[in-house]
Amino acid sequence: GEDVEQSLFLSVREGDSSVINCTYTDSSSTYLYWYKQEPGAGLQLLTYIFSNMDMKQDQRLTVLLNKKDKHLSLRIADTQTGDSAIYFCAESMGSSYKLIFGSGTRLLVRP
Amino acid sequence: SAVISQKPSRDICQRGTSLTIQCQVDSQVTMMFWYRQQPGQSLTLIATANQGSEATYESGFVIDKFPISRPNLTFSTLTVSNMSPEDSSIYLCSVEGGAQYFGPGTRLTVL
Repeated sequence: GEDVEQSLFLSVREGDSSVINCTYTDSSSTYLYWYKQEPGAGLQLLTYIFSNMDMKQDQRLTVLLNKKDKHLSLRIADTQTGDSAIYFCAESMGSSYKLIFGSGTRLLVRP
Repeated sequence: SAVISQKPSRDICQRGTSLTIQCQVDSQVTMMFWYRQQPGQSLTLIATANQGSEATYESGFVIDKFPISRPNLTFSTLTVSNMSPEDSSIYLCSVEGGAQYFGPGTRLTVL
């Protein structure tokens, strides 16, 4: 069945890089997403990658996709305290476009 | 990117009552979705709402409990019927517009 897994918690120091990992099971995924959720807020789309790509970079964000291992990662360079939030990865299921979400990774950035 | 608004942003309701949540998009979109995020949890898809057809519900969600309307390409409503405390969640709508964008969510507390 469809399943998306993430580690629950990551703590980094301000200025360091953060790497949040995600694994998924469905090889027919078309898009893979990263969303950010701050306390009491909705979901902010950070970035997404098409399943035939290996890497996507957008300012401080780098997404790596290993399709063979069904592994997705989000690297945040020069992490700031404002990056503290929960980060969700999600896979888009073919032509239905419905998203299957991971459990979310809580990122804590220490000053 | 699509701009999505939801009303109400939050509500406190008594058990046994119903609440209708509105979702408005600033552009015409074919596919809209409704998700639920229970406290401390990830997001789960309730249903897909396409204009001109009945909503398609995911396993565990039924139309009698979560009726959905989609009268046009920019608007949808989700009703949470006969509420119980277990329905306390954040309800989010999303749209597919090249990528999937989310509204700010409606935080529902049922007493």
